[in-house]
Amino acid sequence: NAGVTQTPKFQVLKTGQSMTLQCAQDMNHEYMSWYRQDPGMGLRLIHYSVGAGITDQGEVPNGYNVSRSTTEDFPLRLLSAAPSQTSVYFCASTYQGTSGPFEQFFGPGTRLTVL
Amino acid sequence: AQKVTQAQTEISVVEKEDVTLDCVYETRDTTYYLFWYKQPPSGELVFLIRRNSFDEQNEISGRYSWNFQKSTSSFNFTITASQVVDSAVYFCALGEETSGSRLTFGEGTQLTVNP
Repeated sequence: NAGVTQTPKFQVLKTGQSMTLQCAQDMNHEYMSWYRQDPGMGLRLIHYSVGAGITDQGEVPNGYNVSRSTTEDFPLRLLSAAPSQTSVYFCASTYQGTSGPFEQFFGPGTRLTVL
Repeated sequence: AQKVTQAQTEISVVEKEDVTLDCVYETRDTTYYLFWYKQPPSGELVFLIRRNSFDEQNEISGRYSWNFQKSTSSFNFTITASQVVDSAVYFCALGEETSGSRLTFGEGTQLTVNP
């Protein structure tokens, strides 16, 4: 199993450009999430999904879109990049057992710089 | 709203010292889940432990131990006989019962273990 994969690893954008961060998992997990990590602020939830076709907003959704057409893939779209979106982005997946949610499996992260 | 506070931003110890990382959480849920993750300098997020709100037993795994006290809403993490390889950022996180994809993270504690 590859686990959770993210591409690209690094990206530099200019203000106003759009792009999609890719995330895929091969563990058949129903739950997937996107977080951003900024210095001194921990990880903050951007968007999440509880299954194919179902997405919802997290704590900091503005400027980002998601869709979930398959169980495996959960891309994050930046509509018009801003310097405030400079961050490290992590994708995660997990599953819900009878005893509640299990730990989230994280991808390696994408380091995004917006100039 | 859920909240996790890790009041110690940075801790520096000398190898072989014991160190405790504090985590205090807030939630209105009666069922919830607590996690600890390690982020070494390489940047990936490594799962350490998951604990549900009904299980207040302390846990020990090698040099790591966790103390869960519901009465004080705390889930503290102790490393015994610290080693240089323990140097990392440690995150405490709080999860909801019904959605494994929504985690609220603390801001993290940077632990530096000096030789």
